[in-house]
Amino acid sequence: GAGVSQTPSNKVTEKGKYVELRCDPISGHTALYWYRQSLGQGPEFLIYFQGTGAADDSGLPNDRFFAVRPEGSVSTLKIQRTERGDSAVYLCASSLGPIDSLDRANTEAFFGQGTRLTVV
Amino acid sequence: GENVEQHPSTLSVQEGDSAVIKCTYSDSASNYFPWYKQELGKRPQLIIDIRSNVGEKKDQRIAVTLNKTAKHFSLHITETQPEDSAVYFCAAIGSTTGANNLFFGTGTRLTVIP
Repeated sequence: GAGVSQTPSNKVTEKGKYVELRCDPISGHTALYWYRQSLGQGPEFLIYFQGTGAADDSGLPNDRFFAVRPEGSVSTLKIQRTERGDSAVYLCASSLGPIDSLDRANTEAFFGQGTRLTVV
Repeated sequence: GENVEQHPSTLSVQEGDSAVIKCTYSDSASNYFPWYKQELGKRPQLIIDIRSNVGEKKDQRIAVTLNKTAKHFSLHITETQPEDSAVYFCAAIGSTTGANNLFFGTGTRLTVIP
């Protein structure tokens, strides 16, 4: 596809359930980021992948949250035992290379439309 | 880690006037500062960015300035138009574990009144 794709666009789940959110980055992008955006707030960093490995997972709020990117392309964010406070829009972004590269073409981060997660 | 603060949280201007949004950052090693525009229900989109080796960058009606000493950067929109109405986010590179990634401000909701 031409852009970053996230599925599902909306997810409603019951408290305590497990959910998976999927991100398809732009083809060839090595860097992938997950953010969480609550209403009226800026995107909050969760985890950053460079290739298949998590370069920085310090933003994951607790051990109920986990993300994988096994083949260096598609990523899945997994949330166990969901809580109402997990309700937010989960945004995925990708860039051609590491965000701190001096090459402008490598560093622009493109966002997906997000997955709106509602825990009831 | 990086702490990015953004002001104001809301801003209303008359069409044709200028709008200025300001951000500060905490990590003196930050070297990349993008600005994103997010329209209602849509994804954030990059509108302009600046690196620490320059003090100002301009793209048509949009400009960004950077003061590394004071650790603040600003977005300037001139001759504002109704379609500029959106939420604007500043961001800065930061690192908590040695790998750099983007940290965002809390956003400014800009309303341009026709």
